[in-house]
Amino acid sequence: ETGVTQSPTHLIKTRGQQVTLRCSSQSGHNTVSWYQQALGQGPQFIFQYYREEENGRGNFPPRFSGLQFPNYSSELNVNALELDDSALYLCASSQQGADTGELFFGEGSRLTVL
Amino acid sequence: GQQLNQSPQSMFIQEGEDVSMNCTSSSIFNTWLWYKQDPGEGPVLLIALYKAGELTSNGRLTAQFGITRKDSFLNISASIPSDVGIYFCAGHLTGGFKTIFGAGTRLFVKA
Repeated sequence: ETGVTQSPTHLIKTRGQQVTLRCSSQSGHNTVSWYQQALGQGPQFIFQYYREEENGRGNFPPRFSGLQFPNYSSELNVNALELDDSALYLCASSQQGADTGELFFGEGSRLTVL
Repeated sequence: GQQLNQSPQSMFIQEGEDVSMNCTSSSIFNTWLWYKQDPGEGPVLLIALYKAGELTSNGRLTAQFGITRKDSFLNISASIPSDVGIYFCAGHLTGGFKTIFGAGTRLFVKA
């Protein structure tokens, strides 16, 4: 069984740039959720993708966008980066039918915005 | 919006001691979950609770789903150095699309 994998693990960008983060879901999982974890905080829900469509969204501006592909992998895109976007971005996969909140996380992509 | 309040924020204990941490919410949840995050890793699910009043164990870990559905606690017995990490509580509503996390309890264990 393959777990959730994310890339890149670390990256540095400057303010105003754009970034794309990638996630491969755990085998058998068709739903992907993205979370932002600022230093010293718990994960904050960004959005969820199911059947290649956004299934729900947290309190994040439109410059945070995503995609899900037919193989259930997903991308998180952030435009016009701001200093406060510096955080660990976590991808989590789950089985939509389960509806239990049980999430399987990747190791995250640590983004630093200078 | 929904918020989870975890306490304590951090704990410094001796190896072998028991640990207790809790989580409260202003809203009810159908599922309460406890995750642990090690440095440089993503959170890992420890225990999931599905019914009010439910008490569930996973090795040295025991967690309970509060009767009001607005709180949960996690106990760790006979702590060991590898218990060090950040423990997050999380809540989920059936039919909802998101799982909400608390700010975490940071556990430090001195050998």
